[in-house]
Amino acid sequence: AQSVTQLGSHVSVSEGALVLLRCNYSSSVPPYLFWYVQYPNQGLQLLLKYTTGATLVKGINGFEAEFKKSETSFHLTKPSAHMSDAAEYFCAVSAMDTGRRALTFGSGTRLQVQP
Amino acid sequence: DAGVTQSPTHLIKTRGQQVTLRCSPISGHKSVSWYQQVLGQGPQFIFQYYEKEERGRGNFPDRFSARQFPNYSSELNVNALLLGDSALYLCASSPRDNAHGYTFGSGTRLTVV
Repeated sequence: AQSVTQLGSHVSVSEGALVLLRCNYSSSVPPYLFWYVQYPNQGLQLLLKYTTGATLVKGINGFEAEFKKSETSFHLTKPSAHMSDAAEYFCAVSAMDTGRRALTFGSGTRLQVQP
Repeated sequence: DAGVTQSPTHLIKTRGQQVTLRCSPISGHKSVSWYQQVLGQGPQFIFQYYEKEERGRGNFPDRFSARQFPNYSSELNVNALLLGDSALYLCASSPRDNAHGYTFGSGTRLTVV
């Protein structure tokens, strides 16, 4: 079975500051990893994903994440926060024991951006 | 192009009642998945259908059922509603038999009173 732990249910940064949202995973097989963003009263939007290949993945809206197998981590970063980045962020993993047909999500991190 | 559409957007039901939620996938997507998101938590996988066959099932009771139609749209049914079934129900479609190309709908907010 696989699991995801997101450290910090709430993160607050100032506009223009670095955004770092932490995600650690547990998987008995090579994982595929995802970051999604959810704005209030909306569904989930894919920010980026890692399947194979380059471990540094670039996504939309200036976000990127690095897959570190030795640390079982997939932290999300953005160099400079914008007010529009305020939202809930979810890390997720898919693994072979579900035939990669389902995602297991973390509990989410709410990002606040202060002016 | 239209995205994943879900109906209704909001629903209030009484304990013990039954509910049907509907989802239309993106054109060309043959896979539909359902997730339950309880307030303050991440989504939890309920079902995945591909080419009208159930291909995956999460850890939910038999009160939850689903089906996929020839046009690839899908319905999620929940019987004997409990207060704990109150949640945002998300539908995601994907072009293939996996979770890698998900596009999520905006969800149906179900409140059980």
